[in-house]
Amino acid sequence: AQSVSQHNHHVILSEAASLELGCNYSYGGTVNLFWYVQYPGQHLQLLLKYFSGDPLVKGIKGFEAEFIKSKFSFNLRKPSVQWSDTAEYFCAVKGQGGKLIFGQGTELSVKP
Amino acid sequence: KAGVTQTPRYLIKTRGQQVTLSCSPISGHRSVSWYQQTPGQGLQFLFEYFSETQRNKGNFPGRFSGRQFSNSRSEMNVSTLELGDSALYLCASSGTVSTDTQYFGPGTRLTVL
Repeated sequence: AQSVSQHNHHVILSEAASLELGCNYSYGGTVNLFWYVQYPGQHLQLLLKYFSGDPLVKGIKGFEAEFIKSKFSFNLRKPSVQWSDTAEYFCAVKGQGGKLIFGQGTELSVKP
Repeated sequence: KAGVTQTPRYLIKTRGQQVTLSCSPISGHRSVSWYQQTPGQGLQFLFEYFSETQRNKGNFPGRFSGRQFSNSRSEMNVSTLELGDSALYLCASSGTVSTDTQYFGPGTRLTVL
């Protein structure tokens, strides 16, 4: 069965620090990969997605993610975080079955 | 373009009752998926409907059911509510292809007392 693992449950950073959130998935076939963000009191929003092509994808608000097929990973990065990036981040994978499987989420707290 | 809308936004029920939640997808989207979000289990897939047919189903008991109408609006029903059904229920819509991106609504917060 497909599964998604996010390594960090809670990350605390100071503003301007760099961010990397880990995401690994287990599925041997073709996958579509997503990062969603849930700001406090708001609904899930798409940050970025990978379907095919360049494994380095850029999303909104300066976020990017790199798909490394050999490592089954899709890590999220941002060079310099802001207080407004405080949110919960979810990695998700969709395989050929069509179900979107989410990781447990990583809560990011950015101190001003 | 209007986003995914869900009604009601908040709901309080007691054990044993049943509940129906509604979801209106983005205009032109034909696929609707439902998820349950809880602090302990995270986001779990319930089911997906496409053109009024259930296309995928998660690992939830038969008390959880859904349907989709010809205008792509979807409803989710939970019968014989249990305390553990307290959760945020999210609806997401996407286009015609199963690989399309899903866009989420604000959710319905269900509390079972």
